[in-house]
Amino acid sequence: DTGVSQDPRHKITKRGQNVTFRCDPISEHNRLYWYRQTLGQGPEFLTYFQNEAQLEKSRLLSDRFSAERPKGSFSTLEIQRTEQGDSAMYLCASSRTDSGNTIYFGEGSWLTVV
Amino acid sequence: DQQVKQNSPSLSVQEGRISILNCDYTNSMFDYFLWYKKYPAEGPTFLISISSIKDKNEDGRFTVFLNKSAKHLSLHIVPSQPGDSAVYFCAASRGSQGNLIFGKGTKLSVKP
Repeated sequence: DTGVSQDPRHKITKRGQNVTFRCDPISEHNRLYWYRQTLGQGPEFLTYFQNEAQLEKSRLLSDRFSAERPKGSFSTLEIQRTEQGDSAMYLCASSRTDSGNTIYFGEGSWLTVV
Repeated sequence: DQQVKQNSPSLSVQEGRISILNCDYTNSMFDYFLWYKKYPAEGPTFLISISSIKDKNEDGRFTVFLNKSAKHLSLHIVPSQPGDSAVYFCAASRGSQGNLIFGKGTKLSVKP
């Protein structure tokens, strides 16, 4: 499978705990994106990387959220001190710089904060 | 404010007929538009895109039309098949950054 891979697919956590999601992009895709989707809404942009550089962050990305892409390959998204409002699907996507703005999504990581 | 709007939350079509999904946008700086399809509990799947320099793009059963003066685009699916039943998202971007702005989606049901 050469698509975008996300892990874990589902996570249930207690409020106040930290969670981390991992994303492995499509090989040779130098851009990597994180989006969040809640029920009844379209995906909302959180942040993106070109290689290892984080080039843009949405104001949706509060101080409790941090994303890294240390070697320009896989990425992690960590949420600290989770709140019930963090419950959502977290989507990772990737693209190549020369492929325009078409991005390819993974299957998402569901987060439920109880 | 919503920059990309899909005003129909749902659409029901008979198998074999045409499905037309609509999308409006407000930001005239958008220059690239995409449609994604999403099944429950899965990530969105890219369907088709169009650059603002074109007014039509076709790929098999899927055609996207862009009317820049009206800030409107539509996705036509002909003929519709039951497997097309999903939520369809319209998205827009500007420049080369890939930060896509999505609509809220339209749920398409194709009935046999």
